[in-house]
Amino acid sequence: DSGVTQTPKHLITATGQRVTLRCSPRSGDLSVYWYQQSLDQGLQFLIQYYNGEERAKGNILERFSAQQFPDLHSELNLSSLELGDSALYFCASSPQVGGTNYGYTFGSGTRLTVV
Amino acid sequence: GEDVEQSLFLSVREGDSSVINCTYTDSSSTYLYWYKQEPGAGLQLLTYIFSNMDMKQDQRLTVLLNKKDKHLSLRIADTQTGDSAIYFCAERMDSSYKLIFGSGTRLLVRP
Repeated sequence: DSGVTQTPKHLITATGQRVTLRCSPRSGDLSVYWYQQSLDQGLQFLIQYYNGEERAKGNILERFSAQQFPDLHSELNLSSLELGDSALYFCASSPQVGGTNYGYTFGSGTRLTVV
Repeated sequence: GEDVEQSLFLSVREGDSSVINCTYTDSSSTYLYWYKQEPGAGLQLLTYIFSNMDMKQDQRLTVLLNKKDKHLSLRIADTQTGDSAIYFCAERMDSSYKLIFGSGTRLLVRP
């Protein structure tokens, strides 16, 4: 157990729907990062939050949004889902903005299947 | 641009050494990492190297860094079947602090 908790582990939904993925960072970590892992595009950085504020944005679609709450957990909202959104979504956390020499700590991911 | 490149696949025999290679783009990256992903699991940090180092050894793992060529390698000595996994290298972009990952190298260890 890495200490980063992601729920749910698996999610199957239909095209056009909206889902919310949840992440609880490791205790004491202030930064949360979201990554998308698909077969054809590898591990893509989506967005980063630090202590409730957005700090960096990657290749995140406009249909996707995220936030980090005062208790530091984060949610990734995916809307108007398309078949191509099927992927593993990982959350990672680190103590501060840039990670440490230890990098990030990853959760075990949420596997999203859009049918 | 931001691009970390790795070969996609490596197959070795149990007991041999494995060498996984990676090239990165940002010469100012302070930290470079190797992560391991087993089937159905998240990414687990294996080791890291600071940019002012050429080599780092940690038990069966040896990391070599060639800053001039922006080349990073991971050597696994005495490779075991339990080492079969996907290995990702990553660089930390000091300008934004985000980690940029390679596409991963799938290591298959044959008995």
